[in-house]
Amino acid sequence: EIVLTQSPGTLSLSPGERATLSCRASQSVSNNYLAWYQQKPGQAPRLLIYGASSRATGIPDRFSGSGSGTDFTLTISRLEPEDFAVYYCQQYGSFPLTFGGGTKVEVK
Amino acid sequence: EVQLLESGGGLVQPGGSLRLSCAASGFTFGIYVMSWVRQAPGKGLEWVSSISTSGHITYYADSVKGRFTISRDNSKNTLYLQMNSLRAEDTAIYYCAKVFYASTWNAAFDSWGQGTLLTVSS
Repeated sequence: EIVLTQSPGTLSLSPGERATLSCRASQSVSNNYLAWYQQKPGQAPRLLIYGASSRATGIPDRFSGSGSGTDFTLTISRLEPEDFAVYYCQQYGSFPLTFGGGTKVEVK
Repeated sequence: EVQLLESGGGLVQPGGSLRLSCAASGFTFGIYVMSWVRQAPGKGLEWVSSISTSGHITYYADSVKGRFTISRDNSKNTLYLQMNSLRAEDTAIYYCAKVFYASTWNAAFDSWGQGTLLTVSS
């Protein structure tokens, strides 16, 4: 099983600031099959990034993904008020599919 | 527009059974791998199970293997999760999810239902 470790657990930032979220895998993620999701309270997760760096349909370009192998990053270039939420990474290269524990981006 | 509508959640006693359903619309259901993902109250996301387009191949998390059964009826555009021998730790919101690309296991979840809450308690 591939264990995904996200850091930090909580990120306290102000609107307009840059957010950098990390996701580290316990072993290499096959073909960089790594996704990022955003979840707001009371809502289902929303796909942001797939294939480590491809933005999903309708996702603003302030969201970007990078990385390969075991180290992946989600960057939000300038935080908008609607970006404060919890973010999860997920690998879909091998079963069992696994999610990271999440990073909460909160208003400082 | 893709829509996934879960139903069947509720309060069940430990050791009990329940079947969840997920009605799909807005896409060709039969050509997409489908999955269940759950989220315990205040916790993160946990993948539960996935099923192939035909329904012949299934995968399960160790935590539910032998107790849960995923299935689908492509003629009814519906995904199911039969849950037996339920435990308190199965308490969660259960989401059904569709993968991004047709006819492949290796794809992210691009559409999610709103979820249905299962509570296992005496």
